[in-house]
Amino acid sequence: DSGVTQTPKHLITATGQRVTLRCSPRSGDLSVYWYQQSLDQGLQFLIQYYNGEERAKGNILERFSAQQFPDLHSELNLSSLELGDSALYFCASSAADRGLMDEQFFGPGTRLTVL
Amino acid sequence: AQTVTQSQPEMSVQEAETVTLSCTYDTSENNYYLFWYKQPPSRQMILVIRQEAYKQQNATENRFSVNFQKAAKSFSLKISDSQLGDTAMYFCAFISSNYKLTFGKGTLLTVNP
Repeated sequence: DSGVTQTPKHLITATGQRVTLRCSPRSGDLSVYWYQQSLDQGLQFLIQYYNGEERAKGNILERFSAQQFPDLHSELNLSSLELGDSALYFCASSAADRGLMDEQFFGPGTRLTVL
Repeated sequence: AQTVTQSQPEMSVQEAETVTLSCTYDTSENNYYLFWYKQPPSRQMILVIRQEAYKQQNATENRFSVNFQKAAKSFSLKISDSQLGDTAMYFCAFISSNYKLTFGKGTLLTVNP
């Protein structure tokens, strides 16, 4: 158990809908990262937040958005869902802001299926 | 753009034997870090080992060690005394000054009894 929690574990929805994925980082970690894992694209970095502020942005679609709240939990919002958005979405957390060596601890992931 | 290439989609090894997983990367930067992550069937991502680019000494963690060849931009993972619990997808990853962790496509390792 990494100490990072993600809810829900599984989510099934229809095209065009909007969903929210939730992540609670390890106690004391200020950075939260979101990743998408799909068969087509592999593991891709989406976005990082540190103490409520966006720090780095990866291959995140405009239909996707994220935020980190004062209690440090984070939400990833996916809207106008398409079949290709079906994937495993991971959240990870780390203690530092911009430590290259800083270990990221991954949550168990949320499996999103878009029908 | 930074890329990470794992040329072996699948590998298998007998229990107790040694196996090496390959990884190459492309970057123009000098300061970066390399990682190997393991993803067992449970889907949990677990850090196996990490290497700082400016350190010449290869990192080791118990049965896991790396062969880091900076000039060749190669970062292979050696697993000694393979165990059934090592069966997993292994991802090589890279991070540098853009702070974005970039993963390879992964190598599925199966340890056979």
